[in-house]
Amino acid sequence: NAGVMQNPRHLVRRRGQEARLRCSPMKGHSHVYWYRQLPEEGLKFMVYLQKENIIDESGMPKERFSAEFPKEGPSILRIQQVVRGDSAAYFCASSPYGGNDGTQYFGPGTRLTVL
Amino acid sequence: GENVEQHPSTLSVQEGDSAVIKCTYSDSASNYFPWYKQELGKRPQLIIDIRSNVGEKKDQRIAVTLNKTAKHFSLHITETQPEDSAVYFCAATYNNNDMRFGAGTRLTVKP
Repeated sequence: NAGVMQNPRHLVRRRGQEARLRCSPMKGHSHVYWYRQLPEEGLKFMVYLQKENIIDESGMPKERFSAEFPKEGPSILRIQQVVRGDSAAYFCASSPYGGNDGTQYFGPGTRLTVL
Repeated sequence: GENVEQHPSTLSVQEGDSAVIKCTYSDSASNYFPWYKQELGKRPQLIIDIRSNVGEKKDQRIAVTLNKTAKHFSLHITETQPEDSAVYFCAATYNNNDMRFGAGTRLTVKP
């Protein structure tokens, strides 16, 4: 059973471009969470999704950021018109159950660098 | 929203000594509290977790205690080794849906 997969592992974008980050949860997991981690800082919650539904996006900036988890395929975190402040490591985690029952298992992260 | 406070932010101990990291949370409905270890450049890895119907849980050199009344929980590492050096994060479930993390504790174990 493969763990949580994320790609790309490293992504370089120029200001104004779009960044698209992918997360494939563990087999059998239907809950996906995205976190952002700045250097030397903690994990900041961004969004929680179940298949085809956004459950909680309270941690995600209202502009330029969007997330989806389609019926088929990976979850996608999309950042439009990237700015230097978007440079960070983006981790996704998956869980077989949500909320209080759900141990979260993390992917290896995507390190986004905005030039 | 849920607020998880973690202390200390850095901790340095001598090999063989114990290390204790403490967290407090604000959502009284939280009932699942995992701890993650993150080595430099790597993903957070779950090391131990505790649910609110349990006051203490131990796994070899690692133990976690929970005080629901006071809304705090702690990680205890005994007989520390240099390979325990990492950043440790506590977390608490929030709003029955997702999780909020503490800011992390950078543990350094000096040989």
